[in-house]
Amino acid sequence: GESVGLHLPTLSVQEGDNSIINCAYSNSASDYFIWYKQESGKGPQFIIDIRSNMDKRQGQRVTVLLNKTVKHLSLQIAATQPGDSAVYFCAENMLGYSTLTFGKGTMLLVSP
Amino acid sequence: DAGITQSPRHKVTETGTPVTLRCHQTENHRYMYWYRQDPGHGLRLIHYSYGVKDTDKGEVSDGYSVSRSKTEDFLLTLESATSSQTSVYFCAITAGREANTEAFFGQGTRLTVV
Repeated sequence: GESVGLHLPTLSVQEGDNSIINCAYSNSASDYFIWYKQESGKGPQFIIDIRSNMDKRQGQRVTVLLNKTVKHLSLQIAATQPGDSAVYFCAENMLGYSTLTFGKGTMLLVSP
Repeated sequence: DAGITQSPRHKVTETGTPVTLRCHQTENHRYMYWYRQDPGHGLRLIHYSYGVKDTDKGEVSDGYSVSRSKTEDFLLTLESATSSQTSVYFCAITAGREANTEAFFGQGTRLTVV
């Protein structure tokens, strides 16, 4: 069957570069956001999350930025490695609601 | 890794046949979800459960039913499979006591309806 990566916007970077993946979310009432990474043939894997009372959160080599004014979320990956090649999804949730809404994803390709 | 097991991992079935996919968790989490993933659509919620025998529909629930008779198992049934249900199906659970926390995913089931 078709790969989930088809039809997705693609970001191509060189190993060692910093990568920035963007996501526009839909619901101004959303107050919890997550970034997932999905490698080929695997399930999505949690990377980092952020709540709406923050505008920045850092993890290991990753930073998530939240701009509630324009409903925009970004994931920054420092010193990108070939192992970072995957599809990246953002997801949003509203407090009190039981389900996440996912964006369609961005494929990140890292060249050695 | 969260203890989520999906079975089967791959299945080919004929149009009109019933199919059941199983999700098993060892984390004792309250919330469980079934998603389908298709090119160009991302992850779309089919059904979810917020407790034993408590389920609700997602955005693409037509043609699917679910059951949760035990905390650890969440079953997705296609009563009469159609070619449009060819997809990759993912089960997810939420780690916290509330649903407003990150979801952990299984490895997926690739279903082909011929």
